[in-house]
Amino acid sequence: QKEVEQNSGPLSVPEGAIASLNCTYSDRGSQSFFWYRQYSGKSPELIMFIYSNGDKEDGRFTAQLNKASQYVSLLIRDSQPSDSATYLCAIGSSNTGKLIFGQGTTLQVKP
Amino acid sequence: NAGVTQTPKFQVLKTGQSMTLQCAQDMNHNSMYWYRQDPGMGLRLIYYSASEGTTDKGEVPNGYNVSRLNKREFSLRLESAAPSQTSVYFCASSESLNTEAFFGQGTRLTVV
Repeated sequence: QKEVEQNSGPLSVPEGAIASLNCTYSDRGSQSFFWYRQYSGKSPELIMFIYSNGDKEDGRFTAQLNKASQYVSLLIRDSQPSDSATYLCAIGSSNTGKLIFGQGTTLQVKP
Repeated sequence: NAGVTQTPKFQVLKTGQSMTLQCAQDMNHNSMYWYRQDPGMGLRLIYYSASEGTTDKGEVPNGYNVSRLNKREFSLRLESAAPSQTSVYFCASSESLNTEAFFGQGTRLTVV
């Protein structure tokens, strides 16, 4: 079982819709959870981080963490074509602290 | 603000050649990381350094060595390049382990 798993997609949503991206992880003791966005040919950029169970909102983005079920999700409201990118989930290991990434989900927002 | 700076941006090596990828950060971060990214594989951790003076193996360390030269700089060395090391390499830094990491612009390496 991979440490961090994401559906590679592509996930296609119409402009203005809500995009829902999911990530599961295997290390039950993980402490920190991150979402990165990566445009083609560019480096990953941090969108959100969350450390506690529940929801965290920042503009059109909401991160949701459920430690009991070992998943973290990212909701993008009012999706725009400029949101089309690969979204990477990253988890901070509980015992080593190293940051492990999922393979990423490609999001396509169609006008 | 420069953030995390990697050099070079592009490199072509012949099989068996050696090279060092350089990374420097100006954010006074304690932790630094080297990742490689291959199509469909996401980012895989090669080595990381929790703080100045320490280095540890990640998921795919074979064929690589690292040096944490000082708090700012973390280099990745390929002693004898192989075609399987063709990839995009990213350096990242964070204030400490388990905190948000910031990435350099990447080095696209091709081994022929």
